[in-house]
Amino acid sequence: DVKVTQSSRYLVKRTGEKVFLECVQDMDHENMFWYRQDPGLGLRLIYFSYDVKMKEKGDIPEGYSVSREKKERFSLILESASTNQTSMYLCASSLLGEGDVAKNIQYFGAGTRLSVL
Amino acid sequence: GENVEQHPSTLSVQEGDSAVIKCTYSDSASNYFPWYKQELGKGPQLIIDIRSNVGEKKDQRIAVTLNKTAKHFSLHITETQPEDSAVYFCALLREDKLSFGAGTTVTVRA
Repeated sequence: DVKVTQSSRYLVKRTGEKVFLECVQDMDHENMFWYRQDPGLGLRLIYFSYDVKMKEKGDIPEGYSVSREKKERFSLILESASTNQTSMYLCASSLLGEGDVAKNIQYFGAGTRLSVL
Repeated sequence: GENVEQHPSTLSVQEGDSAVIKCTYSDSASNYFPWYKQELGKGPQLIIDIRSNVGEKKDQRIAVTLNKTAKHFSLHITETQPEDSAVYFCALLREDKLSFGAGTTVTVRA
């Protein structure tokens, strides 16, 4: 079974703090994704990565950055946390599609609920 | 990302009845349409998907239908059971990225 592990289930941080959310997958997937989930808005893509040291902006990258130093690990960084970044953060991974849509199945971690006070 | 509209936002059904969730989209280039189920305290998990060259797909009590001309696809759950209570998300694939609907909270009443 694919396992995507997010390091924290709950985090409470103060405004202005630098926050690191960690995600590790054990299936040698090329693609990794960070989403935030808010009620009534579904899942919105923040950043994604197709390979080590590679990153692409998603739909809502402002206020976030990412790091992918190893294939299995994808970190989301909030440079200076703000209250509007209070949310559920979900990490996902998938194989590289290469035109085969079946490879685009994304496997999700359990999520990190971040509260910024 | 691609705009995906999902309705209804909440759905309450009697155990044993059917549930239907519908999603509409605008980009005709999308060719893969998965549905994810998110149980309380867990991440979303794929439950069924459909490709653009297929009109319907079934897997036991769940089915998905796709109308590419009208640009909508639907999830059908028959004989609902308490374990079907969850949040369901539709999604579509565009350039190796998924765009998700806003989600439907399904509650199955015993």
